[in-house]
Amino acid sequence: GAVVSQHPSRVICKSGTSVKIECRSLDFQATTMFWYRQFPKQSLMLMATSNEGSKATYEQGVEKDKFLINHASLTLSTLTVTSAHPEDSSFYICSARDRGRPSGNTIYFGEGSWLTVV
Amino acid sequence: ELKVEQNPLFLSMQEGKNYTIYCNYSTTSDRLYWYRQDPGKSLESLFVLLSNGAVKQEGRLMASLDTKARLSTLHITAAVHDLSATYFCAPSSSYNTDKLIFGTGTRLQVFP
Repeated sequence: GAVVSQHPSRVICKSGTSVKIECRSLDFQATTMFWYRQFPKQSLMLMATSNEGSKATYEQGVEKDKFLINHASLTLSTLTVTSAHPEDSSFYICSARDRGRPSGNTIYFGEGSWLTVV
Repeated sequence: ELKVEQNPLFLSMQEGKNYTIYCNYSTTSDRLYWYRQDPGKSLESLFVLLSNGAVKQEGRLMASLDTKARLSTLHITAAVHDLSATYFCAPSSSYNTDKLIFGTGTRLQVFP
C-alpha cells in the first residue's frame, strides 16, 4: 500500500485563487519531506525541503511567497499555491523516507497532485 | 550544484533486444536512485544504489553504480512491452541524502 499519500489527486482552481495540497506519511514520522514539480514530458524539479517545526528551504528560483509550505506535524506537510496562474498548472509530487522500514533507504513518492489553473 | 544527465532521452526498441540507459552526474553523491514513471502517474521505486560498484537486478532490469566515474547504468535485457515507461535516475544531494536531483529522464518505448 501507499507509504506517502497526497490529496487531492486532481484540482482545478480559478486564476488568482489559492489551492492547498497535502502530503502525509502513513505509519511513519517524517521530519523532512520534499516537494517537486513536473511539467508535462519533463523531469521532476525540486522546489523545496519541508522541515517539521521550522521554515522550509526553497531551491533557487522558487518563490517562497507563492509556494507556501507548512510542516506542522511529523506526518503532514502542505503546499499552498497562492494567487495561482495558468503557468502554475503542473504535477506536484512530494517524497519522504521511512527510516524505520527494512528498506529504509527507499525514498517514497506520493501519488502526485495535478493542478490545473483556469 | 549537482547536475544530472541521462542518455538517451528517448529510446525505441524492439521486444527481445537489450539496451543500456546511462546516467552521468556532476558532483559527489552517496547514493543513487532509479525510478519508473508511467504516463500520468507518480514514481515507482526500482533501485537504490548505495556504494561504488553496487549492482542490483530485478527481473529484466539491472542497475549499477560507479561513483568514481559518477556514472550509473540501467541495463534492459530482452525487453518486453510492459517495460515501456519513462525512467529517471536521481542521485542524492551531498548535503542531504533524502534530497534527490533528477535526471532528464529516458522515455522507453518497446514495440513488437
